Amino acid sequence: EPEVTQTPSHQVTQMGQEVILRCVPISNHLYFYWYRQILGQKVEFLVSFYNNEISEKSEIFDDQFSVERPDGSNFTLKIRSTKLEDSAMYFCATTWIDGVYEQYFGPGTRLTVT
Amino acid sequence: AQKITQTQPGMFVQEKEAVTLDCTYDTSDQSYGLFWYKQPSSGEMIFLIYQGSYDEQNATEGRYSLNFQKARKSANLVISASQLGDSAMYFCAMREGEDSGAGSYQLTFGKGTKLSVIP
Repeated sequence: EPEVTQTPSHQVTQMGQEVILRCVPISNHLYFYWYRQILGQKVEFLVSFYNNEISEKSEIFDDQFSVERPDGSNFTLKIRSTKLEDSAMYFCATTWIDGVYEQYFGPGTRLTVT
Repeated sequence: AQKITQTQPGMFVQEKEAVTLDCTYDTSDQSYGLFWYKQPSSGEMIFLIYQGSYDEQNATEGRYSLNFQKARKSANLVISASQLGDSAMYFCAMREGEDSGAGSYQLTFGKGTKLSVIP
């Protein structure tokens, strides 16, 4: 069964550093998403990406965040200058809107900012 | 207002018994989708079941069924014959924006219910 993969599984970084989280979506999927889950809380939408551009973003997704699909396969989330409150699990998800509604989640990257 | 409400922070169920996890939702869209995901302690999000707003039959997937009551805006998950491996967080989620096709189809999640299955 096709799956979404994410790297790294765990990243520890110092406050103020830049991090890049990577996702490899399922190959024929069209919509890509990043979600965030702070420990013990609900999953929150960050941004959606379609046709090589952001289609929607939440209020969490401020200027510190950016996304891109640099090479047609990877989908990345960059946090320019990490803050303590960015510590969370970050999930990439993908879906193909064609009567198939399941949103496939990757295993997540646990980001710890110290 | 919360778009997805899960009123049970924690639930206990005896092994082999059935359990219902509650979910109510709020939307003005006519076309929307409702999802349940399982999150074990390892952290991954596992898709369980989907119900479209126009689906007349309740969705079922193995031991999982979704009790969809559209007028009440509820989409409860029923797990039959609980197993120890069912112990996990369970999240209800909704996708809106299907009417116009212009939405990006992101999911809005509830706060989750922690299910513990007792041997």
